[in-house]
Amino acid sequence: AQKVTQAQTEISVVEKEDVTLDCVYETRDTTYYLFWYKQPPSGELVFLIRRNSFDEQNEISGRYSWNFQKSTSSFNFTITASQVVDSAVYFCALRGGGGSNYKLTFGKGTLLTVNP
Amino acid sequence: NAGVTQTPKFQVLKTGQSMTLQCAQDMNHEYMSWYRQDPGMGLRLIHYSVGAGITDQGEVPNGYNVSRSTTEDFPLRLLSAAPSQTSVYFCASSKLRGWDQPQHFGDGTRLSIL
Repeated sequence: AQKVTQAQTEISVVEKEDVTLDCVYETRDTTYYLFWYKQPPSGELVFLIRRNSFDEQNEISGRYSWNFQKSTSSFNFTITASQVVDSAVYFCALRGGGGSNYKLTFGKGTLLTVNP
Repeated sequence: NAGVTQTPKFQVLKTGQSMTLQCAQDMNHEYMSWYRQDPGMGLRLIHYSVGAGITDQGEVPNGYNVSRSTTEDFPLRLLSAAPSQTSVYFCASSKLRGWDQPQHFGDGTRLSIL
């Protein structure tokens, strides 16, 4: 069974602070894929990044960076110099790579509020 | 580009009524799925389909039916609405080949059952 845990229910920061959103996953698959989605107050779900289990290279995209560590089963997301527009619910998700397993398992989400 | 289109955006039903939530995608995606989002619960998979004529149950299928007669459409039917089905429903689609393909989501349907 797959499981994704986002232990932080809500985080509140002041603009320009750095913030890290934690994601811990469980899977028996040796091949799997991890995703982060953003849900702004308008409600749509926006894909941010994917990472496969073979690629532990961390990634930086502008103010966003992702830290994938298989040894701790974690896929954390950091926003540098946060802005009010970053306020949203962020979801971490896992898709296993076994057979025809296309199901995506989501964590419960972390509500990030960036205050001016 | 339309992407994934869900209708209606809002709906209020009375307990016991039935209705169909529509989902259509124009990206020729084989995989389509329905999720419900409840406060503090994240997104939970209701049903999914890997192609026309093929559907399967997700995590919370009870009270819902689906069918996939075409690649483009994947309607979700509530058979007899209950207050516990008050939720925001999202339809998503993706390419089947390649597990790394991100799912594209519709804008959601906010459903209230009175």
